[in-house]
Amino acid sequence: QAGLTQPPSVSKGLRQTATLTCTGNSNNVGNEGAAWLQQHQGHPPKLLSYRNNNRPSGISERFSASRSGNTASLTITGLQPEDEADYYCSAWDSSLSSRVFGGGTKLTVL
Amino acid sequence: QLQLQESGPGLVKPSETLSLTCTVSGGSISSSNYYWAWIRQPPGKGLEWIGSIHYSGSTYSNPSLKSRITISVDTSKNQFSLKLSSVTAADTAVYYCSRHGDLDYWGQGTLVTVSP
Repeated sequence: QAGLTQPPSVSKGLRQTATLTCTGNSNNVGNEGAAWLQQHQGHPPKLLSYRNNNRPSGISERFSASRSGNTASLTITGLQPEDEADYYCSAWDSSLSSRVFGGGTKLTVL
Repeated sequence: QLQLQESGPGLVKPSETLSLTCTVSGGSISSSNYYWAWIRQPPGKGLEWIGSIHYSGSTYSNPSLKSRITISVDTSKNQFSLKLSSVTAADTAVYYCSRHGDLDYWGQGTLVTVSP
């Protein structure tokens, strides 16, 4: 099953800005956009953004999502130690009638 | 506040059928137009969508698992369930249930180990 492409790891310094990317195609990311999820070790994923920059209540404004064509991005500003986690993107693929996930990006805050 | 909770055996023998149930509380599974999803995560790996069901019984399944999956819903109990047949060690994972549309609500997950 075709999935979405994310870089395996990103490292940034404290208080810096990290931009995570998620590349799909016109049937998934390019169609309805992507959701972004944060997962800390041993915990379930937590929704950060859905259908491109719609933040659930309680999610910090430091997290913002966008899309350009078939690539979705999650930008995290003012990195904090608690932002160190795995980040996943996900989208509905209309051609596969399936939900697809990216392989995840491990964000390290130095 | 919507809450989801997975339940089922934590250990399943190879070739047998894995059975899990997700109980939804704080809201009705049939009160909205959402699908409800099963998602799994093998140890140390990423998330994999298994399948989703609407309270009407309409389902979508991961093509790679479709032949082994049965997803059902019981609106009277506000639950939906997963059966995965002919399991192998590769099916060892934390299994999550979630509200499908925006993945905004998740259960805590339950680890299912496939082992003799």
